[in-house]
Order: sequence, then structure tokens, then C-alpha cells
Amino acid sequence: AAGVIQSPRHLIKEKRETATLKCYPIPRHDTVYWYQQGPGQDPQFLISFYEKMQSDKGSIPDRFSAQQFSDYHSELNMSSLELGDSALYFCASSPVVGNNEQFFGPGTRLTVL
Amino acid sequence: SQQGEEDPQALSIQEGENATMNCSYKTSINNLQWYRQNSGRGLVHLILIRSNEREKHSGRLRVTLDTSKKSSSLLITASRAADTASYFCATSKSTFGDGTTLTVKP
Repeated sequence: AAGVIQSPRHLIKEKRETATLKCYPIPRHDTVYWYQQGPGQDPQFLISFYEKMQSDKGSIPDRFSAQQFSDYHSELNMSSLELGDSALYFCASSPVVGNNEQFFGPGTRLTVL
Repeated sequence: SQQGEEDPQALSIQEGENATMNCSYKTSINNLQWYRQNSGRGLVHLILIRSNEREKHSGRLRVTLDTSKKSSSLLITASRAADTASYFCATSKSTFGDGTTLTVKP
């Protein structure tokens, strides 16, 4: 069965650079969630989209932005990267019909040097 | 805070024993989900329990939900070394708790 796809799987950037993470949800899932998980930390909800509109906002820094496109894939744009942005970034998707069960992607590991 | 909170934070047991992890939350929910995460790996969905359900089973997993106490428990029976991982609960508000690190010794 198709799963959530995230790219790239690994990314190394330097401070003050920008990064773009991509998420491709499971087909027919129209809700996408982004999470950040620092080393040894629990996942922190960043932002979610439903039908290309922002549906909920968590602890997403102002330096980050995200959007969902017409094909339902989503991109997380991160600017002025800081060392503390080094983390695993997970994307999850869920179908609007049902119980909102979230299906997680494998994550993108971002390292900021 | 809407954050789910798991306890204990760390649990170490012998293979074959049962492991029980608890989760508490503070807001009303539609459902609660349990996830497993091996070190440095992705989150794996284990089980979802809806707010109108009290107990749910899946293989060696048993989850209970008490909405009056805003708490849930995850029981892993006959644990195996491969169950060693961190276990998180997450509410329908997309908030995760700190997780319980389970170590199962062979």
C-alpha cells in the first residue's frame, strides 16, 4: 500500500541557509500535518493543512512557512536556519472521512551545521 | 497545556513480562492514538481508540481509555526484545506526550 513520502530523507545545511522539505500524502488523503522532533524530544506539532488551506497551527517559528498544493503535496520552507533547527521533520496525512488517523512518513533528518 | 503526558518515562522489563504505559491529557478529544518509535526512526501507528470506546485490542496490544479521567493505558503482553522502543500517545489535537522509553531485556 502507498505510504506517505517525504523528501529528501537527509539534508545538511549551514546556519542562515534555507531548506525546503516535501511531503507527498497517501492518495485520497487531503489533510497534511508537519511535526518537528528534536533529539531526545517528543514530536511537536507545527502546522496542518486541509484542502490546501491552513487548518491548524502549532509551534511553528515565524522563519518557517508551509503550504499545500493542488495535488495535496505539501512543502515546509525553512529560512535563516539555526543550529536548533536540527531535528527530524515528520509529515503525516489523514483522510477527512474517518477518524483522523494520521499516517506518518519516514521523516526528513535535517542537520544544521 | 493540551499535551498528553506519559508515565512512566522509562520502563525496563524482562522478556515475557507485561508492560503497561499510561497517558493523561487535558482537553476533550475525539480519539487518542498510540505510536511506537525506534531510536532515530519514524513513528509507527499502533492503535487508535475513539472517545466512545473504552477498550481496544490489537494482537498483543490492549488499550483502554477513560474519558472521565482523561487517561489512557497501553498494555503490551508477553513482551519481546523487539518491543524495545519509545511509545507515545497523541490526542486528536495533534499533540504528543513525552513518551515512555521501554526496554525489554532478553
